[in-house]
Amino acid sequence: DTEVTQTPKHLVMGMTNKKSLKCEQHMGHRAMYWYKQKAKKPPELMFVYSYEKLSINESVPSRFSPECPNSSLLNLHLHALQPEDSALYLCASSQETSSSYEQYFGPGTRLTVT
Amino acid sequence: LAKTTQPISMDSYEGQEVNITCSHNNIATNDYITWYQQFPSQGPRFIIQGYKTKVTNEVASLFIPADRKSSTLSLPRVSLSDTAVYYCLVGGWTDKLIFGTGTRLQVFP
Repeated sequence: DTEVTQTPKHLVMGMTNKKSLKCEQHMGHRAMYWYKQKAKKPPELMFVYSYEKLSINESVPSRFSPECPNSSLLNLHLHALQPEDSALYLCASSQETSSSYEQYFGPGTRLTVT
Repeated sequence: LAKTTQPISMDSYEGQEVNITCSHNNIATNDYITWYQQFPSQGPRFIIQGYKTKVTNEVASLFIPADRKSSTLSLPRVSLSDTAVYYCLVGGWTDKLIFGTGTRLQVFP
């Protein structure tokens, strides 16, 4: 199974809502990632988890809160978002944290903040 | 982290070979060169990775000259389904995966 799954596929939320994005992989990968992608732009790295510990936070605003409950799951908790946070949120995983390892991406969650 | 430069867009026709060149003049000794493909509203997908010379897999070839300051992704006999954005990335063992602007390939019938 070389699949990374993400739920939900689409999410519309107001600026006062609290929601969560979920990501799951069963490849035994020890690195998991969150990326944000705006239309016609490349993916931007947000967070990296290595062995269930947060190893990289790319100066992401605190209204985005990642969580790695176990080696297969990755969550992104959202609170008090702004309309400019609307984007495609991609989860990925790899064997280890290194650009030399292939990253497997999920299909993404299309988030719209109203 | 080595910076990469790619053409913004390329056009091709079905059945042709497409070569996308990436420039990475300040590549470091331990850097790998990796290419990803992304379709609209999907996550990127790994295509190929190499360090030097030539690497070939079932979907593409990667040519890397001796000085490693550039690399060329070769897609043989493209089809309409190869229309996508192609990203060239360069990095080593301790580097994060940083996407450049990518090349938007449009294949016409």
